[in-house]
Amino acid sequence: EVHLVESGGGLVQTGGSLRLSCAASGFTFSSHWMNWVRQAPGKGLEWVANIKQDGRETRYVDSVKGRFTISRDNAKNSLYLQMNSLGGEDSAVYYCARGSLLAAGILDYWGQGSLVTVSS
Amino acid sequence: EIVLTQSPAILSLSPGERATLSCRASQSVVSYLAWYQHKPGQSPRLLIYDASNRATGIPDRFSGRGSGTDFTLTISSLEPEDFAVYYCQQRSNWPPYTFGQGTKVEIK
Repeated sequence: EVHLVESGGGLVQTGGSLRLSCAASGFTFSSHWMNWVRQAPGKGLEWVANIKQDGRETRYVDSVKGRFTISRDNAKNSLYLQMNSLGGEDSAVYYCARGSLLAAGILDYWGQGSLVTVSS
Repeated sequence: EIVLTQSPAILSLSPGERATLSCRASQSVVSYLAWYQHKPGQSPRLLIYDASNRATGIPDRFSGRGSGTDFTLTISSLEPEDFAVYYCQQRSNWPPYTFGQGTKVEIK
């Protein structure tokens, strides 16, 4: 059974940094694109970033470019999101989501999410 | 960036009724559109991919159709567990993948 478990969220001050992790199990992690998607309070879903199977290609939404870095460790079946220069607009539940083998942009399994709160 | 507009924002229906949700794209996404169900406190769940293909384990009361810019998700007969927020998402032109703002299906 596919499991994705996020961790690392919490309360951080404006301008601070946080690193999210996503532990994957139940599938061949190294075969899938992986994504981060977030949901701000009272808002809809927003795709944040993704990373190719070998980690050599990454893509970001414009609002986080230069501040967030997505990475992965296939030996540890883990996905990461390093978030720097955090602002209030980054407060959200962050979900780790697997890209389907059919296509990277079909997000077929999601974790339960990790809450990030940015406060001044 | 492709903008997806969902309508209505809120759909108030009773169990057993038919739900029809709409998603309109600002430009053609061909058939590269997915639908997700999201309940409070849970993770989003893939329902439909590539406009009309049900994901693994999704009941056949869920169906999708459309191409180009206009798409529909239909729930043929609402079960109590179907009351949730539904999002469409495109993967045709990325980055970024974009989502609609969601349609909440609530109990009337």
